[in-house]
Amino acid sequence: AQKITQTQPGMFVQEKEAVTLDCTYDTSDQSYGLFWYKQPSSGEMIFLIYQGSYDEQNATEGRYSLNFQKARKSANLVISASQLGDSAMYFCAMREGQTGGFKTIFGAGTRLFVKA
Amino acid sequence: GAGVSQSPSNKVTEKGKDVELRCDPISGHTALYWYRQSLGQGLEFLIYFQGNSAPDKSGLPSDRFSAERTGGSVSTLTIQRTQQEDSAVYLCASSLQGTLSGNTIYFGEGSWLTVV
Repeated sequence: AQKITQTQPGMFVQEKEAVTLDCTYDTSDQSYGLFWYKQPSSGEMIFLIYQGSYDEQNATEGRYSLNFQKARKSANLVISASQLGDSAMYFCAMREGQTGGFKTIFGAGTRLFVKA
Repeated sequence: GAGVSQSPSNKVTEKGKDVELRCDPISGHTALYWYRQSLGQGLEFLIYFQGNSAPDKSGLPSDRFSAERTGGSVSTLTIQRTQQEDSAVYLCASSLQGTLSGNTIYFGEGSWLTVV
């Protein structure tokens, strides 16, 4: 069963506007972590933001924020004031707790295109 | 080392040959992951090591794939009798103790494998 679901294969956003990339997850663990990574065309994987399952506040890192809705099991990434350099592939990931063997699994990704 | 180091960065091999891919994780990181990424696709989990043991080998696609880790550091992913569908980027990642959900995983630059 798919544990991380990213339903948007591709997204377009106008430069300077905000964009939300969707991510839903499935786990029976109470303790888990959620991550977002960016992969530009160069291929490197860049860590963006982390949210712990017990964190009450939504995580923020500069222009990135994670809209964590635990009951809905969603962890959407919001990028504010999009820049051309934000064009890349974005992956949502989850590290499960003991039930899931502590491994980290990734969604299929969303390709973001920022238009000038 | 300063980051996760992978070698070779590029490998072209003939169908049927064996290949070995090496990963040197960040010093002190006890958790080590191997993922596979086909062109334009998401990250496919292969195997996860905590120290020298592999609690989760569920992602290995066939018995032609094996991995080991010695001394709690360097890991080798071996693909025997390579097939054209094995062509992909093989990404290695490491993190501090894998049992803590908040530990970010850091990626190497990948080994690009082409089977001709």
